[in-house]
Amino acid sequence: DAKTTQPTSMDCAEGRAANLPCNHSTISGNEYVYWYRQIHSQGPQYIIHGLKNNETNEMASLIITEDRKSSTLILPHATLRDTAVYYCIVRVRPSNTGKLIFGQGTTLQVKP
Amino acid sequence: SAVISQKPSRDICQRGTSLTIQCQVDSQVTMMFWYRQQPGQSLTLIATANQGSEATYESGFVIDKFPISRPNLTFSTLTVSNMSPEDSSIYLCSVYEGGNTGELFFGEGSRLTVL
Repeated sequence: DAKTTQPTSMDCAEGRAANLPCNHSTISGNEYVYWYRQIHSQGPQYIIHGLKNNETNEMASLIITEDRKSSTLILPHATLRDTAVYYCIVRVRPSNTGKLIFGQGTTLQVKP
Repeated sequence: SAVISQKPSRDICQRGTSLTIQCQVDSQVTMMFWYRQQPGQSLTLIATANQGSEATYESGFVIDKFPISRPNLTFSTLTVSNMSPEDSSIYLCSVYEGGNTGELFFGEGSRLTVL
């Protein structure tokens, strides 16, 4: 699976959009971009995933560049409850292994 | 989505002892995984728990230290053997239901402290 690079930490004001970048320059054609987050003292939670088109769900939007070498997770109106570690993961889907390999992630601090 | 229960949620153990962590899912799932999260660190995959056969371990993890069982499609155990303070971590169970999203679900974790 391709390696990802994320900033270690970011701050965001409550009510503003949080834009979390991820670089995955070695991504291959059959690999998807997944985002998970881990709120303190909880297990990771799936947010969204995409292949090459932009995706949106009730939690967030995922913008993938045309060359697929980077992506941005957007939380449109961040709240204090969005404070968490956000993980960008690249892997094949569907996958025979199913497993996820986590990087270090970005710690997002939403401030009042 | 799958609901995952882990027991114990936390424990304090003595060096040299072993502890078994249980993972129960409310539905049959395709795959089950065990992760370790050391203090202040990201998650590291320990192994894939295979039903009715030996688990598949990631590099750096061995069966003697982390024996895993998966007797059916809804239950798995992870044992941390001959514990040392370095084993103090959160151990998380994760499942893959086989759906189209490829999404994994995680338990709340078992926080282990070894003295």
